[in-house]
Amino acid sequence: DTEVTQTPKHLVMGMTNKKSLKCEQHMGHRAMYWYKQKAKKPPELMFVYSYEKLSINESVPSRFSPECPNSSLLNLHLHALQPEDSALYLCASSQVVTSIEFFGPGTRLTVL
Amino acid sequence: GIQVEQSPPDLILQEGANSTLRCNFSDSVNNLQWFHQNPWGQLINLFYIPSGTKQNGRLSATTVATERYSLLYISSSQTTDSGVYFCAVRGETSGSRLTFGEGTQLTVNP
Repeated sequence: DTEVTQTPKHLVMGMTNKKSLKCEQHMGHRAMYWYKQKAKKPPELMFVYSYEKLSINESVPSRFSPECPNSSLLNLHLHALQPEDSALYLCASSQVVTSIEFFGPGTRLTVL
Repeated sequence: GIQVEQSPPDLILQEGANSTLRCNFSDSVNNLQWFHQNPWGQLINLFYIPSGTKQNGRLSATTVATERYSLLYISSSQTTDSGVYFCAVRGETSGSRLTFGEGTQLTVNP
């Protein structure tokens, strides 16, 4: 299985809602990543987990809260988001942090 | 941090034409990946190529690490090749960060 899966595919939420994005991989990878991508721009790194520990937080606002419950699963908890947070959120994984990254299909988030 | 520049920013081709996309980077790298992002947003791995040359069907890539550039060749282009092509690198001093270029938007017309 060489796939990274993400749910949901699309999410619309209000500024007072709490929601979560989910990412899963069964390739035995020990590094997982969250990226944010705005239209017509490249992906921007948000968080890196290595062996289930947060190793990089790229100064992301606290309304985004990552969680890595086990080596196969990565969540991104969303609370009190702003309309400018609307974007494509991409999850990726790699064997370790220095190896090839594989991306999931993304969650397209709209904040109203 | 490491800088990545891709050219051209936009490219329009007729089906069947060949093209070359370029990626310049500012420092030594231990990872260079080419991706194709399709219209639905999926980033598809094309090549992992920190150095050397690889081929996969109509696509091939060459990275000259000593001169800090990589080229992606697309031959006999098809409409399904349309999308954005990203080059992403991990600098030897960048830790675990993959830095993306701004991408090349390719449109292949029938």
